[in-house]
Amino acid sequence: EAGVAQSPRYKIIEKRQSVAFWCNPISGHATLYWYQQILGQGPKLLIQFQNNGVVDDSQLPKDRFSAERLKGVDSTLKIQPAKLEDSAVYLCASTSLGVDTQYFGPGTRLTVL
Amino acid sequence: GDSVTQMEGPVTLSEEAFLTINCTYTATGYPSLFWYVQYPGEGLQLLLKATKADDKGSNKGFEATYRKETTSFHLEKGSVQVSDSAVYFCALSDPGGYQKVTFGIGTKLQVIP
Repeated sequence: EAGVAQSPRYKIIEKRQSVAFWCNPISGHATLYWYQQILGQGPKLLIQFQNNGVVDDSQLPKDRFSAERLKGVDSTLKIQPAKLEDSAVYLCASTSLGVDTQYFGPGTRLTVL
Repeated sequence: GDSVTQMEGPVTLSEEAFLTINCTYTATGYPSLFWYVQYPGEGLQLLLKATKADDKGSNKGFEATYRKETTSFHLEKGSVQVSDSAVYFCALSDPGGYQKVTFGIGTKLQVIP
């Protein structure tokens, strides 16, 4: 079984630029999560999808961050414009409906200069 | 809201030493409890879990017991190896609604030969 795929693995941008991350969850997993992990901290949930609907985006900075999950499969997370404090690893995770164990991708390390 | 408190690292141990990483939680209801591990350059992966009071989760020589009376889920291993060097995250899952997971800050473990 293929795991959660994320791309790119690394990204370096200047502040005020935009960036997008892509996630392909495990086949059949209805629930998809995006987390922000700042160095030295635990993952912080940004947004949770169930199929293609948003069930929790309370910690997503909506003035600059957006996410979508078209057709309930792949998802993209966008930051526009980026700030220095957005430097972090962005993790995508997925799970089956009603299951609490999450499967994580390798993450995308974003550096904002 | 839900929260997880775990001991700050880094923790440095010699090979074959005994490991304890403390974790306590605050939650309404009866959450599931998890330990996730993150090896360098990789995403998080589930190490073990427990879903109800007095349950013991175990995997790869690691153990943790769900203690409702002390709201704790301490991670233990009798004899650590160099390959156990990683960051360990304690987490809980809100049993209601959409299984939102709250993570602790992570504890870095370094095992030296």
